Amino acid sequence: QSALTQPASVSGSPGQSITISCTGTSSDVGTYNLVSWYQQHPGKAPKLMIFEDTKRPSGVSIRFSASRSGDTASLTISGLQPEDEADYYCCSYAGSTSFDVIFGGGTKLSVL
Amino acid sequence: QLQLQESGPGLVRPSETLSLSCTVSGDSLSRGIYYWAWIRQPPGKGLEWIGSFYYSGSNYYNPSLKSRVTISQDTSKNQFSLKVTSVTAADTAMYYCARHSVGATNNWFDPWGQGTLVTVSS
Repeated sequence: QSALTQPASVSGSPGQSITISCTGTSSDVGTYNLVSWYQQHPGKAPKLMIFEDTKRPSGVSIRFSASRSGDTASLTISGLQPEDEADYYCCSYAGSTSFDVIFGGGTKLSVL
Repeated sequence: QLQLQESGPGLVRPSETLSLSCTVSGDSLSRGIYYWAWIRQPPGKGLEWIGSFYYSGSNYYNPSLKSRVTISQDTSKNQFSLKVTSVTAADTAMYYCARHSVGATNNWFDPWGQGTLVTVSS
């Protein structure tokens, strides 16, 4: 399975909203309601931000929301804050023929 | 509070076997609710799922790594381990362990260990 496709970088100003896309295929994102999103600050381990396409773990800000349409999942961050600057990765189950999990290539979010 | 901690050599020679352990505190590997996973990240690059295991013995591996990877458990120590054989420079990466929720509606990793950097070099 190939990696899911994410834009290499996005940017926004404090207070603005941005959306990061994650495009897969009908064999992964498009079939399973199993997309998760992770935030990774430099030198730190990834942190779960969204699971089961749209759900937020407890403790994650309501400024983070997600959706899925067809083969593309999206993460939206509203009211951008400086601490949101990080790398973001999407992840999907991809087990059409055998158990498999794939990540997106990652998106660098810059808060200008 | 659930915590995971990776440990193992930071330097491995080419063609040898990479061996890492993940010690879990705050949960039991044999509780039977979650899988436990290894994920890696080459320097400056993205995340790659290596494999996941369930306490009863069900193991799933990334098809691209399957021939070289083994994940096993030591329930007496509440640890699980990763072995990657015949390593090359391409296996140089930060290696993370994580709890993996798997099911009809579940596919997420949380929490993650802090990671351990493994460099393959002679």
